[in-house]
Amino acid sequence: KAGVTQTPRYLIKTRGQQVTLSCSPISGHRSVSWYQQTPGQGLQFLFEYFSETQRNKGNFPGRFSGRQFSNSRSEMNVSTLELGDSALYLCASSLFQGNLVFGPGTRLTVL
Amino acid sequence: AQSVTQLDSHVSVSEGTPVLLRCNYSSSYSPSLFWYVQHPNKGLQLLLKYTSAATLVKGINGFEAEFKKSETSFHLTKPSAHMSDAAEYFCVVSGRQGTNAGKSTFGDGTTLTVKP
Repeated sequence: KAGVTQTPRYLIKTRGQQVTLSCSPISGHRSVSWYQQTPGQGLQFLFEYFSETQRNKGNFPGRFSGRQFSNSRSEMNVSTLELGDSALYLCASSLFQGNLVFGPGTRLTVL
Repeated sequence: AQSVTQLDSHVSVSEGTPVLLRCNYSSSYSPSLFWYVQHPNKGLQLLLKYTSAATLVKGINGFEAEFKKSETSFHLTKPSAHMSDAAEYFCVVSGRQGTNAGKSTFGDGTTLTVKP
């Protein structure tokens, strides 16, 4: 059974640009959630989608957005990138509430 | 609202001695609780979970945790540490209903060092 896949694995952007990250959940998992991990702030919840609907959202500015498609794949978009957006972005899929299976992450560097 | 507090940012033990990583939680409803481990440059892996069945939960690699509602705690223990246990550990509370449904809140993490 394939795990959670995230693309791309590494990304370098400059300030002001926008970026789209992709996450393919484990087959059959309908919940996808996104997290930002930084040395200073730890792991912070961005948002969670279930059956194409955003069910919950963390305390991030509107520059961070996401969506989920009918096949449960999810994308996360960050517009007008700032230096502080440099982080490891983790996607997790879930069959049961909270039983998260994490992908390897996308390492975003903003220059 | 829900929150998690990991009481120790760093824990250091000798190989073969017991491990105790402490976690307190706060939740408006009866939550699900989890421990995840992250080895250096690796992804997050589920160690164990509590979802309102038995209060003593056994996980992988000899870890276990006990849910204590009266103390709002979910401490992680292991009788005998192994070098391979050195990693960062995260306690997580996940909402099952209300405004926290679908939201998982992570603690700040505890770095476990195992000395030979």
